[in-house]
Parts: sequence; C-alpha cells; structure tokens
Amino acid sequence: GAVVSQHPSRVICKSGTSVKIECRSLDFQATTMFWYRQFPKKSLMLMATSNEGSKATYEQGVEKDKFLINHASLTLSTLTVTSAHPEDSSFYICSARRQGVYEQYFGPGTRLTVT
Amino acid sequence: GQQLNQSPQSMFIQEGEDVSMNCTSSSIFNTWLWYKQEPGEGPVLLIALYKAGELTSNGRLTAQFGITRKDSFLNISASIPSDVGIYFCAGQRGDQLIWGAGTKLIIKP
Repeated sequence: GAVVSQHPSRVICKSGTSVKIECRSLDFQATTMFWYRQFPKKSLMLMATSNEGSKATYEQGVEKDKFLINHASLTLSTLTVTSAHPEDSSFYICSARRQGVYEQYFGPGTRLTVT
Repeated sequence: GQQLNQSPQSMFIQEGEDVSMNCTSSSIFNTWLWYKQEPGEGPVLLIALYKAGELTSNGRLTAQFGITRKDSFLNISASIPSDVGIYFCAGQRGDQLIWGAGTKLIIKP
C-alpha cells in the first residue's frame, strides 16, 4: 500500500500564532513530498515541492518565509504556517511520491481555521 | 494556472447509470492519473495511465489515455451511492501534476 497520514486533521489557532502540520508516509519512503492548498469547491493548488534533505521549491506567489517546509527524512515533511492570519484558513493537503514513480499519494488533509 | 479542461463540471445521475467524464489539454502529458475526493478528505488515486492508448480498469472504473497524449476519459459503470464525490484528472509533467477542476458526481435518490 501507500498510506500517508497528516496531523492534525483540524486545528484552530489565533491570529499571529504559528501552526505546524505533519505529513508522514507510513509504509514507503517518500523522496518527494508536495504541499497543496484547497479552497472550497476548487481544485488543488500546489504550494511547494520538497525533496528529502533539500530546500523546498515554492510555487509563484507562495511566501516561503510564511509557509516553512521541512523534509528532514524520507517519511516526514512538515509545513509551518507562521504568523497565521484569517486569510490563511484553508484545507491543506500533503502528498508523497516514491522515487522513480509519478503517482502521488495524498494525506487526509488538515483543516486550518485562524480566528 | 490550470492547463487541463475537465468536463462536465458536475453530473446528476440515477443510481445504476453509467458515468463518463474527460479531460483535455493543449499539451501532451506523460502520465494521466484519476483521483476521487470525498468531502473533508484527501484525494484517493483510482487509476494511473502510462502509455498513449492505454485502457485500464479498476472494478467498475475504466480509464483511457488518449492516443494523442492530450486527453483522457474516466467511465464508471452501474453507479452506486458511494460513487458520489469529486473526481479529478491530473496530468504529469516533469516533477508535478497539473490538475483538472474536478467533476462533482451527485446521485439522485
């Protein structure tokens, strides 16, 4: 199988605080992990691509200092939303991919609400 | 921005009916993937297509990779209530997936 977990599934935080979201590949080694953001009734919007041990590559318009991504091991990537604001409220989804294949396997998503 | 045109945007069908949706692009892709997403969940991979002309089935689902490598379709036969959700196509180019806007499937009671 190819199981990806995300934690937490839901988080509510106050404006100005930071929140960390974890993405883990449970039964395979993920050389590449992706972070997406999804607005209601919309498709997935790629935020960044991270390869294990390297700096993440951010998509145009995504602030790398605001959305900190760390991919320190082959099974774990984290996304930290720093100084969160209400407009950062969204559904954040990670995906993971094995080396040499194209399929991405997704986590269950994290619903972030910033009050 | 999106480079895939996915249609229809939504479908209202009766249980038992067959469903068909497709994605087209102005550029070619090396791989086509079809995902299903249910509310509050991440997308789940349904079918992966690697070769132009390839036809692949997964239970009641059948998908084809267009011969021009610019399109793909997904068929669902004899739909059941648990088929409801949003279906996304995705084309692989380089390191990334390019996503369609999704087809929302609603089954009329």
